[in-house]
Amino acid sequence: DGGITQSPKYLFRKEGQNVTLSCEQNLNHDAMYWYRQDPGQGLRLIYYSQIVNDFQKGDIAEGYSVSREKKESFPLTVTSAQKNPTAFYLCASNQAGNTIYFGEGSWLTVV
Amino acid sequence: EDQVTQSPEALRLQEGESSSLNCSYTVSGLRGLFWYRQDPGKGPEFLFTLYSAGEEKEKERLKATLTKKESFLHITAPKPEDSATYLCAVQGGGGGNKLTFGTGTQLKVEL
Repeated sequence: DGGITQSPKYLFRKEGQNVTLSCEQNLNHDAMYWYRQDPGQGLRLIYYSQIVNDFQKGDIAEGYSVSREKKESFPLTVTSAQKNPTAFYLCASNQAGNTIYFGEGSWLTVV
Repeated sequence: EDQVTQSPEALRLQEGESSSLNCSYTVSGLRGLFWYRQDPGKGPEFLFTLYSAGEEKEKERLKATLTKKESFLHITAPKPEDSATYLCAVQGGGGGNKLTFGTGTQLKVEL
């Protein structure tokens, strides 16, 4: 089936640890996005990429890093510099100018 | 800076009791206004895209309308399965395809 796959669904991070969230799409979309969702707040854009090997910071990029080595993959690393990483993370993709579709999300909790 | 405000924050309806959700926005050069439905612990599911004032779109019990300053999501004769959080987002002309989201309206439909 075509779609956006995020993994893992649940992830726990210890203090000082980097963790990576995976996002894979088989929709042949050029653009991919990472959003963060916190209770009572709207989705906030972390990073986005419009083509392979290129990406831009969103509104809350500090403490995060990404790569876009392949069209279908856009992994997000939550570094130890992110002081409040506990949240629901959503990956999305679209073809330029068209509707943005979302994956099922990943929960990250700091322990 | 694009901004989206949704109201009410929460809405409780009886089955069959029609109502409307509001999305007010300010954006530099609207390229599209999007409505999504989000169930707890899931990624947002696309509902509608509206591009210009006066446009309307319908899907089952839902109808979305757009003016130059706001959008409404009308729910006619809702059922319990319509219970979800409804998110509104705008895509402005500031470059890229990124969306700016409101905080959502949490709808609960009771028997």
